[in-house]
Amino acid sequence: QVQLVESGGGVVHPGGSLSLSCATSGFSFSIYGLHWVRQAPGKGLEWVAYVRFDGVDKRYGDSVKGRFTISRDYSRHTLSLQMNSLRPEDTAVYYCAQDLTSGGGKYFQNWGQGTLVTVSS
Amino acid sequence: EIVLTQSPGTLSLSPGERATLSCRASQSLSTYLAWYQQKPGQAPRLLIYDASSRATGIPDRFSGSGSGTDFTLTISSLEPEDFAVYYCQHFGTSLWTFGQGTKVEIK
Repeated sequence: QVQLVESGGGVVHPGGSLSLSCATSGFSFSIYGLHWVRQAPGKGLEWVAYVRFDGVDKRYGDSVKGRFTISRDYSRHTLSLQMNSLRPEDTAVYYCAQDLTSGGGKYFQNWGQGTLVTVSS
Repeated sequence: EIVLTQSPGTLSLSPGERATLSCRASQSLSTYLAWYQQKPGQAPRLLIYDASSRATGIPDRFSGSGSGTDFTLTISSLEPEDFAVYYCQHFGTSLWTFGQGTKVEIK
């Protein structure tokens, strides 16, 4: 079965950096787009970043553009999110999610359990 | 940028009752809309995509309808495990957008 397991969350000071990883299994890694979606404590869902199945097309939400970088490793079947210049408003549970359809999708079919990032002094 | 507005914010119902949740878009979405369920401490789960197609393993008491700017998620008869927060979501013009959520709580 499909598994997505995030790691790397923790507490970081404002202005600091953190790198998240998502280990995947149970599907053909090279044909599905992957996303990061976050949820601030007690709040709704916010899409953060996307990388297409081929790793070429990458997109970011306006709130993280220029600060976060999404990437994928085909040999380890892993998705990553490098987060720089972190702000208190970046505090959230970060989920990785898989596209519903291969080749490029509009929706999120499978989700990890999430990893908590806290930005605080 | 398309804005999705969900209503009501909270729906108080009893098990066995029918739940009707609304998602209104600021511009036409055609039928490119999905619904997710999220329980406390859990990741969201895809229920409905393309406005009316049930995702794999989703019970048929969940149904979606609508097109253009007005969409509805209906739960025909609430089971105890259906009390949760529901989000609508759209993909368009290179970004993915969620509504603010509707909480379905036990009355």
